[in-house]
Amino acid sequence: ILNVEQSPQSLHVQEGDSTNFTCSFPSSNFYALHWYRWETAKSPEALFVMTLNGDEKKKGRISATLNTKEGYSYLYIKGSQPEDSATYLCASSTGGSQGNLIFGKGTKLSVKP
Amino acid sequence: AAGVIQSPRHLIKEKRETATLKCYPIPRHDTVYWYQQGPGQDPQFLISFYEKMQSDKGSIPDRFSAQQFSDYHSELNMSSLELGDSALYFCASSHPGGPREKLFFGSGTQLSVL
Repeated sequence: ILNVEQSPQSLHVQEGDSTNFTCSFPSSNFYALHWYRWETAKSPEALFVMTLNGDEKKKGRISATLNTKEGYSYLYIKGSQPEDSATYLCASSTGGSQGNLIFGKGTKLSVKP
Repeated sequence: AAGVIQSPRHLIKEKRETATLKCYPIPRHDTVYWYQQGPGQDPQFLISFYEKMQSDKGSIPDRFSAQQFSDYHSELNMSSLELGDSALYFCASSHPGGPREKLFFGSGTQLSVL
């Protein structure tokens, strides 16, 4: 994988459903993996920064896992609420402390009440 | 809490004109990143600065230049504007520490080139 890829591109769920989506990134020279939440008409907001293989991070109903050996991260949302509707962006960095973040296209989540 | 401030919020220019976008990072953040997001596209990294020096360069056209000033604010200068430059330009700042520090984004400048 040369780019950061996210799937699915969009997701429609009912309120209360739990959901998850995937970020795939280059595993060689991995340095950091970021997740951002981007609501319409607002700027992206950081959710997690993950650096270690096997990392699991949690923020309220949202959690993320990281597998640097195979190059993927999962973002989970438990009991989705309408206010979770947003685009979720992941970004990966290789090349050490001087590298830049490469963003995926995002997963657009819509939660219906 | 203070956030990243970008100005202007919206900018309309004609082809071949120039534009200057400004970014004021969060106080005590000395790293600034510029991203460009075209319609329906993912954000593309343009350039970054650390301590007033360029730290990394991405897909920034030669027609664009940027710098970080002594007060850590940054400006993106765009010349000979083309229709394809129409995009949302985000600035983000972070603590020093490279890509393991989370980014704080501004609200963006929407540039429309007519």
